[in-house]
Amino acid sequence: GAGVSQTPSNKVTEKGKYVELRCDPISGHTALYWYRQSLGQGPEFLIYFQGTGAADDSGLPNDRFFAVRPEGSVSTLKIQRTERGDSAVYLCASSLHGQGSYEQYFGPGTRLTVT
Amino acid sequence: GENVEQHPSTLSVQEGDSAVIKCTYSDSASNYFPWYKQELGKRPQLIIDIRSNVGEKKDQRIAVTLNKTAKHFSLHITETQPEDSAVYFCAASTETSGSRLTFGEGTQLTVNP
Repeated sequence: GAGVSQTPSNKVTEKGKYVELRCDPISGHTALYWYRQSLGQGPEFLIYFQGTGAADDSGLPNDRFFAVRPEGSVSTLKIQRTERGDSAVYLCASSLHGQGSYEQYFGPGTRLTVT
Repeated sequence: GENVEQHPSTLSVQEGDSAVIKCTYSDSASNYFPWYKQELGKRPQLIIDIRSNVGEKKDQRIAVTLNKTAKHFSLHITETQPEDSAVYFCAASTETSGSRLTFGEGTQLTVNP
């Protein structure tokens, strides 16, 4: 079946602008995660959804970052007033369930560049 | 919170040799340990995982071992091939954290023909 998809694949924006990044999880997966990966580093956790609710948003770096998953499927990560330090690859992953140590499958990521 | 350390950061081997990558974790409650392979510009791909109720798991040329007492786990790749060249990440998670993954810093594996 189809894997996790993310759009856009690349996004270049100017400092101070607003951006939205979209994630389509694997059908039927109730858990959805956002991670951020900087060059040469491992992915860092941002936020976790179980169904429609954000079960853990402790990884969001500040209040410029927000994410939603209104119908329990597609999720959007929103970044306000972008800064150059936000430049990274934003990865989305989905899992059958959030509890019980189920495998997480990643999307191809969105490469965000803030100029 | 959980901290995962991974080493070496780079590893170069000859084709056919074995490669071992090691990780340590800090949270004794961690109970799930996946390994991901990431080729340049691509998504991380799950290659093998282990849960805390077992000590070793094998899948063809890949194996993972877990020592809960010492809080470390390792990835073993035998008969390495050039296509094994990639960055490998270990990770750890606990059920109480919603299975959020904490990743190591990665190991760049190069298999020379």
